[in-house]
Amino acid sequence: AAGVIQSPRHLIKEKRETATLKCYPIPRHDTVYWYQQGPGQDPQFLISFYEKMQSDKGSIPDRFSAQQFSDYHSELNMSSLELGDSALYFCASSLGSGHYEQYFGPGTRLTVT
Amino acid sequence: AQSVTQLDSQVPVFEEAPVELRCNYSSSVSVYLFWYVQYPNQGLQLLLKYLSGSTLVKGINGFEAEFNKSQTSFHLRKPSVHISDTAEYFCAVSAPIYNQGGKLIFGQGTELSVKP
Repeated sequence: AAGVIQSPRHLIKEKRETATLKCYPIPRHDTVYWYQQGPGQDPQFLISFYEKMQSDKGSIPDRFSAQQFSDYHSELNMSSLELGDSALYFCASSLGSGHYEQYFGPGTRLTVT
Repeated sequence: AQSVTQLDSQVPVFEEAPVELRCNYSSSVSVYLFWYVQYPNQGLQLLLKYLSGSTLVKGINGFEAEFNKSQTSFHLRKPSVHISDTAEYFCAVSAPIYNQGGKLIFGQGTELSVKP
């Protein structure tokens, strides 16, 4: 069965650079969630989209922005990167209203040097 | 708002022994409960979920969990563990999508280490 695809899997950036993470949900899934997992930490919710509209926002820095496109894929844009942004970034998708199971992608490991 | 507390950060256990990973939650609204497993350098895989109905839910890999509303708990159990069960386990809750968007709130994780 098709799973959530994230790209790239690994990304190394320097401080103050920008990064773009991509997420391709499971086909027919209309809801996307982004989570950040720091080293040894639990995943923290960043932002979510339902039917291409932002549905909820968590502890996402103002330096980060995200959107969901017409084909339901989503991109997380991160600017002015800081050392503390180094983390594993997960995307999860679900069928949205009435379906609560979230299926996670393998994650993008971002390292800021 | 919801919160989740996993009562044990590390649980060492011998192979073929039973195990229980404890999870308590707090919420002012009805929630849905989940257990996810994370193997090293991998994503999160759903083990099982409680949405409604029977309070005993069975998941993959022989795991089960019991929802206890009065004690606000959702403990994960397995009667006999294998070496391959060594991983990080996360308990999570979400509120209904119409209420708070369906985002998952995770506990701090429990590292299960199965020894031969």
